[in-house]
Amino acid sequence: GESVGLHLPTLSVQEGDNSIINCAYSNSASDYFIWYKQESGKGPQFIIDIRSNMDKRQGQRVTVLLNKTVKHLSLQIAATQPGDSAVYFCAENIGGSYIPTFGRGTSLIVHP
Amino acid sequence: KAGVTQTPRYLIKTRGQQVTLSCSPISGHRSVSWYQQTPGQGLQFLFEYFSETQRNKGNFPGRFSGRQFSNSRSEMNVSTLELGDSALYLCASSLEGGVSTGELFFGEGSRLTVL
Repeated sequence: GESVGLHLPTLSVQEGDNSIINCAYSNSASDYFIWYKQESGKGPQFIIDIRSNMDKRQGQRVTVLLNKTVKHLSLQIAATQPGDSAVYFCAENIGGSYIPTFGRGTSLIVHP
Repeated sequence: KAGVTQTPRYLIKTRGQQVTLSCSPISGHRSVSWYQQTPGQGLQFLFEYFSETQRNKGNFPGRFSGRQFSNSRSEMNVSTLELGDSALYLCASSLEGGVSTGELFFGEGSRLTVL
């Protein structure tokens, strides 16, 4: 498959472990945040989002935590599976803007 | 419902040539955005179209242009190609645009290699 990032931070975990992917965002005025997953050879796929009036949101096996004080976002994946191997991007957006700002991404490698 | 379709998936051009990439959004989506993805710069916003009008533009030279048709399909064009234009070009559609009003749906991208 294609490599979408040759210089990305990498997180390697064992199957079944919990994974935590971190993201520092840049704009204190950002009020909406999204996590995307990009598998090799594919476009980014929406995972979960959170608005700035929340500090935690849960989905299926995923949890996003938002710390506005330090402008930090994290994605937690429970019981990581080999199919979770991908590049994960966070994106921030200011309300009313049509243009999200994407982070550089983190490569998650899950070992069976 | 069909997803976002981009064509061609892969193409090779030489410096100085021009290229046109096509994107068909999800049916009913009126906003189409284009992004350039490279290992060094990550995902960079090119432009966004809504109802045939360019509503937002990123910080790219004028060699990069686009348009949107009445059926919401969009094309982007890069003229006078440079080696640095080699990248994955991603198209994303959404209902009304504005990420805070809904998620972006991405296509699989067009991989451009400039020799």
